[in-house]
Amino acid sequence: EVQLVQSGAEVKKPGESLKISCKGSGYSFTSYWIGWVRQMPGKGLEWMGIIYPGDSDTRYSPSFQGQVTISADKSISTAYLQWSSLKASDTAMYYCARERRYSSGEVGAFDIWGQGTMVTVSS
Amino acid sequence: SYVLTQPPSVSVAPGKTARITCGGNNIGSKSVHWYQQKPGQAPVLVVYDDSDRPSGIPERFSGSNSGNTATLTISRVEAGDEADYYCQVWDSSSDHPRVFGGGTKLTVL
Repeated sequence: EVQLVQSGAEVKKPGESLKISCKGSGYSFTSYWIGWVRQMPGKGLEWMGIIYPGDSDTRYSPSFQGQVTISADKSISTAYLQWSSLKASDTAMYYCARERRYSSGEVGAFDIWGQGTMVTVSS
Repeated sequence: SYVLTQPPSVSVAPGKTARITCGGNNIGSKSVHWYQQKPGQAPVLVVYDDSDRPSGIPERFSGSNSGNTATLTISRVEAGDEADYYCQVWDSSSDHPRVFGGGTKLTVL
């Protein structure tokens, strides 16, 4: 079964660091891009950035550039999203998702999603 | 950056047809994907590339895309279809290339 399994919920204080994970299985992890999507409480989906685990090529949404770091360890089929100094406004659910690509180079849909990691930042 | 506009809510009676729109400038030239998100759950892809369905998604879900509007159509609506629905495109010319619509809450009356 193709799946992405994310790490568990986190409760942190402002200023703390955090790294959450997304482990892929059932497919060639290095052959698909993995994106991260934020969903703030009661709000919609926001694309944060994406990584190609095969060579760690990473792209960020301008809204999140400099605010988070996306990385991957292909040896354990895991992608990461990390913060160096959390803010209360980082409180949200975070999803990883696999992105389809076509041989033409065109980008497709997010076809497989992780179950989400809830991050709560509160003093 | 590219903007996708969805109605905040759509209501439909069971057994009827629901249509959820996604507006964008010349969206007909892009591939549109649709996701269903039920409360407390992760999004699920229900239509990709305007009108294709992933395996396991009922034929009641269909999509179309032309001009400035893409539409997700749900036929013979069931109570279990009540959810938030999001459209999404890839805008290759943008520095924010992966764009989601604001989402539409489908209520089954």
